[in-house]
Amino acid sequence: AQSVTQLGSHVSVSEGALVLLRCNYSSSVPPYLFWYVQYPNQGLQLLLKYTSAATLVKGINGFEAEFKKSETSFHLTKPSAHMSDAAEYFCAVSGNNRKLIWGLGTSLAVNP
Amino acid sequence: GAGVSQSPRYKVAKRGQDVALRCDPISGHVSLFWYQQALGQGPEFLTYFQNEAQLDKSGLPSDRFFAERPEGSVSTLKIQRTQQEDSAVYLCASSDMTGSYNEQFFGPGTRLTVL
Repeated sequence: AQSVTQLGSHVSVSEGALVLLRCNYSSSVPPYLFWYVQYPNQGLQLLLKYTSAATLVKGINGFEAEFKKSETSFHLTKPSAHMSDAAEYFCAVSGNNRKLIWGLGTSLAVNP
Repeated sequence: GAGVSQSPRYKVAKRGQDVALRCDPISGHVSLFWYQQALGQGPEFLTYFQNEAQLDKSGLPSDRFFAERPEGSVSTLKIQRTQQEDSAVYLCASSDMTGSYNEQFFGPGTRLTVL
């Protein structure tokens, strides 16, 4: 069985500040991990994914995430927040059955 | 190129009505997924197709939910005798491969409101 926990349903940062969105997973098989972003009235868009090739994964829009097996974590970071980063962020895990298991999401607000 | 499209974007149904939600995946994509996203929640898996074969329907909440993809392209999610708890956004995603590590491309969703 697989599951994802996103700590913090709402995160607020100042423009230019570090963004840290937390994701912990549980999986009985080696996981594939994903971060998606959802803007209002738009479909989910892939930010980045971990597929065991490298533990530090770089994605679009300056985001990156590090897979830490010992901590069962896959936290999303961005060094400097931009106003356009305000959105809902979802962490998801997939095993060997193709379907994605999702966290509840974290709403990111960026203050000027 | 064109992404995943879904129609209608919004649907209001009276309790007890049947509804049909359509998904047009990216052309040539083998895999197609349906998810249900309740307000304030993450998406929940409903069902998965590989071409026209429905390989996993473990997430369908009841026998009122039915999905098909007869020609391996367009898919329809049908909900019979809708209930208020069916109100949600229904998301369709497609992927060009069958591996669990492959990116799923999402449509904008259909927001279903059952009165």
